[in-house]
Amino acid sequence: AQSVTQLDSHVSVSEGTPVLLRCNYSSSYSPSLFWYVQHPNKGLQLLLKYTSAATLVKGINGFEAEFKKSETSFHLTKPSAHMSDAAEYFCVVSGWSGSSASKIIFGSGTRLSIRP
Amino acid sequence: DTGVSQDPRHKITKRGQNVTFRCDPISEHNRLYWYRQTLGQGPEFLTYFQNEAQLEKSRLLSDRFSAERPKGSFSTLEIQRTEQGDSAMYLCASRRTGGGTNEKLFFGSGTQLSVL
Repeated sequence: AQSVTQLDSHVSVSEGTPVLLRCNYSSSYSPSLFWYVQHPNKGLQLLLKYTSAATLVKGINGFEAEFKKSETSFHLTKPSAHMSDAAEYFCVVSGWSGSSASKIIFGSGTRLSIRP
Repeated sequence: DTGVSQDPRHKITKRGQNVTFRCDPISEHNRLYWYRQTLGQGPEFLTYFQNEAQLEKSRLLSDRFSAERPKGSFSTLEIQRTEQGDSAMYLCASRRTGGGTNEKLFFGSGTQLSVL
């Protein structure tokens, strides 16, 4: 079985300060992990994905995430927030379920607000 | 790559009516997913197809819900005897095979269902 927990439902930071969005996962198999972003009235867009090639993953718009197996975490960070980063962010785990289907599970989301 | 298309974009219906949504995935993608998203929540997995085979269904999918993908291309999601609790955004996504569990999902814009 697999699951994903986003530890904060809402994060608010000032423009130009660092961003940290936390995600913990649980998986019976070696998972693939993703972060997706959803801007208001827009579709879901892939930010980055972990594919086991490197534990530090760089994505679009200056975001990156570090896979820590010992902590079962995949936190999303950005050194300096921009107003355009305000959106909903979803941590996603993908792995093989018992039925061998490629099941993809979304976290409940973290709403990122940026203060001017 | 024309993207994932969903039709209609919006659907307003009265309680008790049946509704059907259509999803056209990216043409070379053989995996197709349906999700439901309510305000402030992450997308919830409903069901998954590989080609025409429906490999997994969530317990969220009651007997009133049925999904098909008859020729392994487009898919339909039907809700019978709609209830107000069915009001949500219904998202379709596809991914290609061969890349394992780390292939990204491509999402459609969704169908927003409102049950009055």
